[in-house]
Formats: sequence, structure tokens, C-alpha cells
Amino acid sequence: GAVVSQHPSRVICKSGTSVKIECRSLDFQATTMFWYRQFPKQSLMLMATSNEGSKATYEQGVEKDKFLINHASLTLSTLTVTSAHPEDSSFYICSAPRDPVSNQPQHFGDGTRLSIL
Amino acid sequence: GENVEQHPSTLSVQEGDSAVIKCTYSDSASNYFPWYKQELGKGPQLIIDIRSNVGEKKDQRIAVTLNKTAKHFSLHITETQPEDSAVYFCAASRADKLIFGTGTRLQVFP
Repeated sequence: GAVVSQHPSRVICKSGTSVKIECRSLDFQATTMFWYRQFPKQSLMLMATSNEGSKATYEQGVEKDKFLINHASLTLSTLTVTSAHPEDSSFYICSAPRDPVSNQPQHFGDGTRLSIL
Repeated sequence: GENVEQHPSTLSVQEGDSAVIKCTYSDSASNYFPWYKQELGKGPQLIIDIRSNVGEKKDQRIAVTLNKTAKHFSLHITETQPEDSAVYFCAASRADKLIFGTGTRLQVFP
């Protein structure tokens, strides 16, 4: 069964709206979680590393003020897309590693399809 | 940084045939190589992984081989079934970050 739960699975909203996506590890604690973005028929691009109890680490080119990450507990990380615009429409996927030492293997959620009108 | 190339981008096989997907990586320090299967509208699912101290690993119909010297690794699926149809991604990792290949769309025809 699923070990990482992501919610919601689909969001459709108007431009300017902020959208929060939740990622939960179901049967293990994850001090680190990862957020990816995937465009249609493309690969997964790492956006940021979410760290429990500290600031997230963003990849080059990812706006930290646009994509707010909060790792509130050892089983929950949230990604908030602030003031979303049509170009933010994408498939957002989180992952969590079962082993906190090696950060491997990473288990993925089922993704959130975000559509901004 | 790490760069992972994956081939082919699409692969069509007849049910029962074998399928092979190949990846190359650039960072010789990478030491962990997972393979993921992604079905439409879903997140990637780990199907097999291999560490750099091992040359081959097998799990039923799926096997992965690693050539550290050449910096390439391959996924082998034998006796393919229609339910194997999906997009497959290889990845390489040195520390905690996964760098993904571009994906292979596998179609298995009955």
C-alpha cells in the first residue's frame, strides 16, 4: 500500500489564489521530504528539499516566495503555491525517504494536478 | 552537477518479449540508482534499485545492471505483460537528491 499520501489530488482554481498541498509519510517519520514538479510528458524536476524544523532548501531557479514550504512535523510537509498564475499549472509530486540516514529509497505520493484558470 | 540520459524515449514490444532501457550518468560519485514506474496520473513507484557496490540485481521479471566504469545502468524486463505498460524513469543519486532521466514510455502489445 501507499507509504506517502498527498492531498489534494487535483485542484482547479482562479488566478491569484494560493493553493496548499499536503504530503504525509504514513508509517514512518521523515525529517526530509522532497517536492518535484512535472510538466506533461516530461521528467521530474526537483524544486526543493523540505527539512523538519528548519528552512527548506530550494533548487536554482525556484522562487522561494512563490513556493512556500513548511515541514511542520516528522510526518507532514506542505507546499503552498502563492498567488498562483496559469504558468504554475503543473503536476506537483512529493517524496519521502524511509531511511533518514541515507535518504533512500524515496517513496512518492500520487501527485497533485494543479490547474490555474 | 549530475546529468542522467535515458534511452529510448519510447519502446514498443510484444507481450512476452523482453524490454531494455538504458541510462548513463555523469557524476562518478553517484552511488545509488533507482528505477521508477509511473502510470498515468500517478506518482512514480519504485520497482528496483541498485547501489554502486553491486553489479546486478534481480527481482522476478525485473533486473538492473550497473557498469560503474562506463557510468551506465540498465533495466531489463523479461516476459513483458500489458500491465507493464507505463513510463519508466531511471535516477542517480550521490547524497540525498535524485536526478531523473528523461523517461521511457513502454508499450506492451497483447
